[in-house]
Amino acid sequence: LAKTTQPISMDSYEGQEVNITCSHNNIATNDYITWYQQFPSQGPRFIIQGYKTKVTNEVASLFIPADRKSSTLSLPRVSLSDTAVYYCLVGDSYNTDKLIFGTGTRLQVFP
Amino acid sequence: AAGVIQSPRHLIKEKRETATLKCYPIPRHDTVYWYQQGPGQDPQFLISFYEKMQSDKGSIPDRFSAQQFSDYHSELNMSSLELGDSALYFCASSLRDTYSPLHFGNGTRLTVT
Repeated sequence: LAKTTQPISMDSYEGQEVNITCSHNNIATNDYITWYQQFPSQGPRFIIQGYKTKVTNEVASLFIPADRKSSTLSLPRVSLSDTAVYYCLVGDSYNTDKLIFGTGTRLQVFP
Repeated sequence: AAGVIQSPRHLIKEKRETATLKCYPIPRHDTVYWYQQGPGQDPQFLISFYEKMQSDKGSIPDRFSAQQFSDYHSELNMSSLELGDSALYFCASSLRDTYSPLHFGNGTRLTVT
């Protein structure tokens, strides 16, 4: 079973910031948090990964509170091309948990 | 940068036939993963291989088998195909001994008629 819970869907408009929160109450000490983006008929694409506090790259930021029981993916100034499904996965290198996709968040961006 | 290569991109088979899907991981990646994604569903983990040995097993049917070869490419063999096997099949690769994320190919779309 997936160790994560996300909203099923979200709507936004171009230029807005979108925050998608993932709950992972049973996260283990060695677990990392990884987010993927998937477009229709394409393989999931890695967006960002983190362990604690904040991580930022050229496409997104990941906020992780001190208790690590949740995480928030932040997409700044979304565009129509950000319409996709976003998945949060939790696990470490040596267990199967990191391989389990739960129900992702379907983000729809409107013009 | 080189990505995960899957072949074929599309495959049409009839019920009870067999199918073989191939996956070529990113160079130097030692672990390969297979996923199945039905229409409107989330990816389901099937099986993974590390250094040519099966490492994790998910919801792979007994009719399916897979292996990883000495050159690290992997093949997913599917027998006695059923209509419900129609799906996108993704392969991913990574370096196991790090917190490396999975890198996915663009999948093989299998249609069983």
